[in-house]
Amino acid sequence: GAVVSQHPSRVICKSGTSVKIECRSLDFQATTMFWYRQFPKQSLMLMATSNEGSKATYEQGVEKDKFLINHASLTLSTLTVTSAHPEDSSFYICSARELVGGPLGDTQYFGPGTRLTVL
Amino acid sequence: RKEVEQDPGPFNVPEGATVAFNCTYSNSASQSFFWYRQDCRKEPKLLMSVYSSGNEDGRFTAQLNRASQYISLLIRDSKLSDSATYLCVVRETGRRALTFGSGTRLQVQP
Repeated sequence: GAVVSQHPSRVICKSGTSVKIECRSLDFQATTMFWYRQFPKQSLMLMATSNEGSKATYEQGVEKDKFLINHASLTLSTLTVTSAHPEDSSFYICSARELVGGPLGDTQYFGPGTRLTVL
Repeated sequence: RKEVEQDPGPFNVPEGATVAFNCTYSNSASQSFFWYRQDCRKEPKLLMSVYSSGNEDGRFTAQLNRASQYISLLIRDSKLSDSATYLCVVRETGRRALTFGSGTRLQVQP
């Protein structure tokens, strides 16, 4: 149990295009999902916290108009990188946390990540 | 100052060796502590939570010193499969997201 999937696993796109990444909790309901970004040889950096049915909370320095987050259901959050540029190339990882009080406790489960390359 | 600091390594050790990683965190209000393992180009996977009383899971022992804001991970009898980057992770009180250290790379050699 406690599986989180991400799609696509890898995407290569041209500069200026938009890319949508999906994060799904497969066997549990997640009121909260998190989006992280990891550059080579660096740590995971939190971009935003995605809450089902409400607006995402963005970390300082992350442009909300560039990184659009939608958490439409308890099992799906999407991150859209709009007008992608080469500096957006990175490893994007989502994680999901179960409903408060659920059997999984407060553990976060990570998706396998999406490697974005912008040419 | 980084919120969670780790020695990046790499630590190169022979099979069977004992190796220890350390981590310090800056926010004294932090409430939850974890060690994650991340293999190259993969997502992080939870290795173990860290409790004030210290806890052990097979060859892995984690310790937390709240007074010093210091967390450690000890790996005994290293295996080749232990080669990975070990991430020290903290959750601050009132915050749902995790804060990651930059990781310590371990390479176990035959």
